Amino acid sequence: DGGITQSPKYLFRKEGQNVTLSCEQNLNHDAMYWYRQDPGQGLRLIYYSQIVNDFQKGDIAEGYSVSREKKESFPLTVTSAQKNPTAFYLCASRQAVTGSPLHFGNGTRLTVT
Amino acid sequence: AQTVTQSQPEMSVQEAETVTLSCTYDTSESDYYLFWYKQPPSRQMILVIRQEAYKQQNATENRFSVNFQKAAKSFSLKISDSQLGDAAMYFCALISNFGNEKLTFGTGTRLTIIP
Repeated sequence: DGGITQSPKYLFRKEGQNVTLSCEQNLNHDAMYWYRQDPGQGLRLIYYSQIVNDFQKGDIAEGYSVSREKKESFPLTVTSAQKNPTAFYLCASRQAVTGSPLHFGNGTRLTVT
Repeated sequence: AQTVTQSQPEMSVQEAETVTLSCTYDTSESDYYLFWYKQPPSRQMILVIRQEAYKQQNATENRFSVNFQKAAKSFSLKISDSQLGDAAMYFCALISNFGNEKLTFGTGTRLTIIP
């Protein structure tokens, strides 16, 4: 079955370390997205990519970086510059067709201590 | 900029009853899509229903229906015959058809079903 795989489900890191969250999709979708979810704040867009080798900052890009070297993959790096990295991170993808909805992965819970 | 507002952080409903979740939005675009997503305790985001702004007819999916008021920029979700499995966070979302491909979400409404 087609879908989006995020790994790992839980991730623990020490403060000051960079960490990369994986996101892979086999839906043949052109566009991919990273959202951060915090209690009471809904989903906030970090980065998105509409095509390979191109991506745009979302609303809260500071302290994060991404790459899009392959259509299937859109890894997110949480750098040490991100002040409050502990959160639930959701990856999503969609077809580049008007009105197509987002399909989501199961998320990664990152805890930084 | 586009915004989505859900003013009800929490709602509850008796099993088998009907409940309506509110959503208002703001966008300068004339053509856009609106969505309702459900996030159960598993935290998997599930698409509930989709509405195109150009269509006046309200979308329905089984027990789920919307009341889309374009002039008022309102997009409420009605759940009929509520079931225990409907307990979840519900998010309203908006994407414009032109320009950027950003899907903007509201802050969510936590729905509790009372047996």
